[in-house]
Amino acid sequence: GEDVEQSLFLSVREGDSSVINCTYTDSSSTYLYWYKQEPGAGLQLLTYIFSNMDMKQDQRLTVLLNKKDKHLSLRIADTQTGDSAIYFCAENTDKLIFGTGTRLQVFP
Amino acid sequence: GAVVSQHPSWVICKSGTSVKIECRSLDFQATTMFWYRQFPKQSLMLMATSNEGSKATYEQGVEKDKFLINHASLTLSTLTVTSAHPEDSSFYICSATGGQLKDTQYFGPGTRLTVL
Repeated sequence: GEDVEQSLFLSVREGDSSVINCTYTDSSSTYLYWYKQEPGAGLQLLTYIFSNMDMKQDQRLTVLLNKKDKHLSLRIADTQTGDSAIYFCAENTDKLIFGTGTRLQVFP
Repeated sequence: GAVVSQHPSWVICKSGTSVKIECRSLDFQATTMFWYRQFPKQSLMLMATSNEGSKATYEQGVEKDKFLINHASLTLSTLTVTSAHPEDSSFYICSATGGQLKDTQYFGPGTRLTVL
């Protein structure tokens, strides 16, 4: 089946690192994505990783991909209050399959 | 660029009326557009996929006569909710491919529909 799973909630202190995890099922995905959704808004593409890569860094964001375990993670360094949002991982097969979303709450 | 807009951003209508939502790709030609529905505190549910000039492909369980999709140009797709009822109240989000990164979906800001 096509199930992409994430933990539902993460709370971190401002300035700390956040790590959001995701497990997926389809090993044929070409890209894996991380999207951010703020309240009442659409999805913003944060970053992506090709399936033949293990890691990608983009400023404060680091994506790690473990293909063997079908595990994807997003690390946000120096987390800020503006990072508070819901984060969705997604894999593309013949369509985009979203995870359940992780609500990140950043407190001062 | 890969900017997608939606209009309106929110709409309130009476039960039984029809509502049209527009999705536009502003700085690229969208080869494919997608329509999603999102319930509170849930993930996105794909409703349909549309290619310019052809009929939309609907996901299982989505009524094509209720949710009419038109993709008349490479920059515009519309979703019409016909004879809306309170259970159609939801957040509707469109996305489009054809931007900077091939096969990547770029999302609009969403439309909040409330049916009274």
